[in-house]
Amino acid sequence: GQQVMQIPQYQHVQEGEDFTTYCNSSTTLSNIQWYKQRPGGHPVFLIQLVKSGEVKKQKRLTFQFGEAKKNSSLHITATQTTDVGTYFCRTPPSAGGTSYGKLTFGQGTILTVHP
Amino acid sequence: NAGVTQTPKFRILKIGQSMTLQCTQDMNHNYMYWYRQDPGMGLKLIYYSVGAGITDKGEVPNGYNVSRSTTEDFPLRLELAAPSQTSVYFCASSSTGNNSPLHFGNGTRLTVT
Repeated sequence: GQQVMQIPQYQHVQEGEDFTTYCNSSTTLSNIQWYKQRPGGHPVFLIQLVKSGEVKKQKRLTFQFGEAKKNSSLHITATQTTDVGTYFCRTPPSAGGTSYGKLTFGQGTILTVHP
Repeated sequence: NAGVTQTPKFRILKIGQSMTLQCTQDMNHNYMYWYRQDPGMGLKLIYYSVGAGITDKGEVPNGYNVSRSTTEDFPLRLELAAPSQTSVYFCASSSTGNNSPLHFGNGTRLTVT
């Protein structure tokens, strides 16, 4: 299976500071999805990136897919206490793979925002 | 639409007991999944199904069984509960495979003592 490394594992920020989490793959990804899980909640889909170099924005969140499609980032500008939670990336098997169910979640980045 | 519904929300089992975690979705999704999440950890795939009558193992299938007799339902069975199965279990569904977002249920918090 494909190895996806998500960093950092933890991030503590003061409210108003920026935050970035990264997902790095050893192989080319066909696409990547990002999810957010609030404490005590379930993961919620945020966005999917498909194209090389793609950048998408959702209010204060900016998602990027690397030119080589081996890495991706989620950046939050001016964090708020509502941003607290764990952010996961999710990637499919190698291009051309047929194991549709065996998509892999990254280990997640736990974000704490101090008011 | 209710989306993905899981029952029960909480359960405490004694070692060796069995139980079934229920999952149903009303979105007519073909793909359904069971994940477990240990405290502070990521999501590990237990089993998945690409349609009624078809199931396949994920990363951590040992100790679990599933069935998919209908499109809507995907129950997860624990036959002989062990402390290592203490976890939060999430059911999810998606319309297709690699390129569809997952829709998660609210989870079942299981403790085995």
